[in-house]
Amino acid sequence: SAVISQKPSRDICQRGTSLTIQCQVDSQVTMMFWYRQQPGQSLTLIATANQGSEATYESGFVIDKFPISRPNLTFSTLTVSNMSPEDSSIYLCSAGGDYGYTFGSGTRLTVV
Amino acid sequence: AQSVSQHNHHVILSEAASLELGCNYSYGGTVNLFWYVQYPGQHLQLLLKYFSGDPLVKGIKGFEAEFIKSKFSFNLRKPSVQWSDTAEYFCAVEGLSGGYQKVTFGIGTKLQVIP
Repeated sequence: SAVISQKPSRDICQRGTSLTIQCQVDSQVTMMFWYRQQPGQSLTLIATANQGSEATYESGFVIDKFPISRPNLTFSTLTVSNMSPEDSSIYLCSAGGDYGYTFGSGTRLTVV
Repeated sequence: AQSVSQHNHHVILSEAASLELGCNYSYGGTVNLFWYVQYPGQHLQLLLKYFSGDPLVKGIKGFEAEFIKSKFSFNLRKPSVQWSDTAEYFCAVEGLSGGYQKVTFGIGTKLQVIP
């Protein structure tokens, strides 16, 4: 299965700023996904990122707040824009395939 | 829309006890089913998966799960837990939604194994 490197692993950011999270996969994958895991809650899918097309966002998530790039089959970024304390969470990327889904190690974001 | 219910949010067991974590899903079509584990301080790892065939699937570290289609269930079991099994366990369902495959996770079950 694919191995995903995600960075940064954690960050503390000021409200109103933006943070870009990067995920690098060690093999080409068609579909990549971005999740949010808030304290005490399950993983919530933010969007699906396919190479060569715009990301597909889930209900409650919009492109202006969470712009996503997918320039090639091994890389994707998620930006959390104009952050507020409510955006404090763990953000995870994932890559899917016939073997199941592999996850990055997560980015723990704290907005102060 | 698909959904996943995990009935036990926090389970405490003594070593050597048997484990069963419940998972039920709601979805009208063909599904793929997963159990993921997240050990303290580590990232999510695939424990086992069911795509088709034998409904009893075996995963890593002695875990197994049984897909019962009539009950929309995919319960996770282990005959004898170890302290190292302390972790959070997530059930997940993959199904077709809005024209593409989508994975939905349950809320997770925190398992604490007492030596």
